[in-house]
Amino acid sequence: EAGVAQSPRYKIIEKRQSVAFWCNPISGHATLYWYQQILGQGPKLLIQFQNNGVVDDSQLPKDRFSAERLKGVDSTLKIQPAKLEDSAVYLCASSRADRELYEQYFGPGTRLTVT
Amino acid sequence: GQQVMQIPQYQHVQEGEDFTTYCNSSTTLSNIQWYKQRPGGHPVFLIQLVKSGEVKKQKRLTFQFGEAKKNSSLHITATQTTDVGTYFCAGRGTYKYIFGTGTRLKVLA
Repeated sequence: EAGVAQSPRYKIIEKRQSVAFWCNPISGHATLYWYQQILGQGPKLLIQFQNNGVVDDSQLPKDRFSAERLKGVDSTLKIQPAKLEDSAVYLCASSRADRELYEQYFGPGTRLTVT
Repeated sequence: GQQVMQIPQYQHVQEGEDFTTYCNSSTTLSNIQWYKQRPGGHPVFLIQLVKSGEVKKQKRLTFQFGEAKKNSSLHITATQTTDVGTYFCAGRGTYKYIFGTGTRLKVLA
């Protein structure tokens, strides 16, 4: 089966600009996650979707970050306006929510540099 | 809120030596997962532990879940250069996973 797809792979923007990331999960996976991974740290959950609905977004900086998952498939994560501390790799992951084993499959990530 | 810590942060070993990383949660977990991230790569699932005191093996890797379901460990026997990477535990509380701080392993040939 095809893996989790993400684009773009790299993005460089100036602070106060906006940026959007796209994720296409594995077909049939109901749960989709967006993580932020700062260099040298573990992935930090930003938002978790179950189909169209949001399960958790407690760590999403809602004044600048937004995410949506239309039709329970693809998802976009937007940052507006970006700050220097947003420089990180943004990882998308998906899992099959209908099983006991919630193994997460990660995409290759988008490396964001804010200058 | 729930926190998951890992020690050590870094470990350099000679090829053939053993390696262990420890994962500790501030709260009781329903289950725990382990992931490996190669340099420049993304996390890849290794295993999931669910039961108190559970031990699972994958070739040279041994995973344990503590009796209180608040800690876990990953032990690699006779490391190889292919074991290089960062190992993360991810503990599940009520409905979401919290990733640990990771242990970065370097293997010297």
